[in-house]
Amino acid sequence: DVKVTQSSRYLVKRTGEKVFLECVQDMDHENMFWYRQDPGLGLRLIYFSYDVKMKEKGDIPEGYSVSREKKERFSLILESASTNQTSMYLCASSLMLLHSYEQYFGPGTRLTVT
Amino acid sequence: AQSVTQLGSHVSVSEGALVLLRCNYSSSVPPYLFWYVQYPNQGLQLLLKYTTGATLVKGINGFEAEFKKSETSFHLTKPSAHMSDAAEYFCAVNPQGGFKTIFGAGTRLFVKA
Repeated sequence: DVKVTQSSRYLVKRTGEKVFLECVQDMDHENMFWYRQDPGLGLRLIYFSYDVKMKEKGDIPEGYSVSREKKERFSLILESASTNQTSMYLCASSLMLLHSYEQYFGPGTRLTVT
Repeated sequence: AQSVTQLGSHVSVSEGALVLLRCNYSSSVPPYLFWYVQYPNQGLQLLLKYTTGATLVKGINGFEAEFKKSETSFHLTKPSAHMSDAAEYFCAVNPQGGFKTIFGAGTRLFVKA
């Protein structure tokens, strides 16, 4: 089974802190994604990566950056956390196959910025 | 632009009753379509997907969905609800050949005893 793990389930940070969210997948997937999930808004894509050191902005990249130095690891960075970044953050990965773009999700990190 | 609309943010059914969760999409190219389920305090997991071929797709836990191109719909059904089906369900569309998957806002399913 594909396993996607996230470094923390719950995180509380102060405004202005630099925050790192780590994601690791163990199935050699090419694609990795970071989403934030907010009630009534579904999942919104922050960034994705289709290869090591490659990254693309999603729909809401402002205030975030990412790093992918190894194929299995994709990090989300909040350079200076703000209260409006309080949310559930979900990492996902997928194979790059012609007919299969299903994504495998980690358990999520619930981040609270105070 | 692609979009996904899930009708009803909350749906409540009695145990044993039919489950129907509605999803409509817009896509400029033939889409791949997905339903995901999220149980409390967990990530999303795939219920079923449509890529090509048969338009009636069967998934896990007795769920199925039918792709209707003329109606641009991909509704999720289950003949008989179980208490364990209580969760949030997300419909998603991925235009063929694209990296980005667009998710609907989600429908929370409540199952009454």
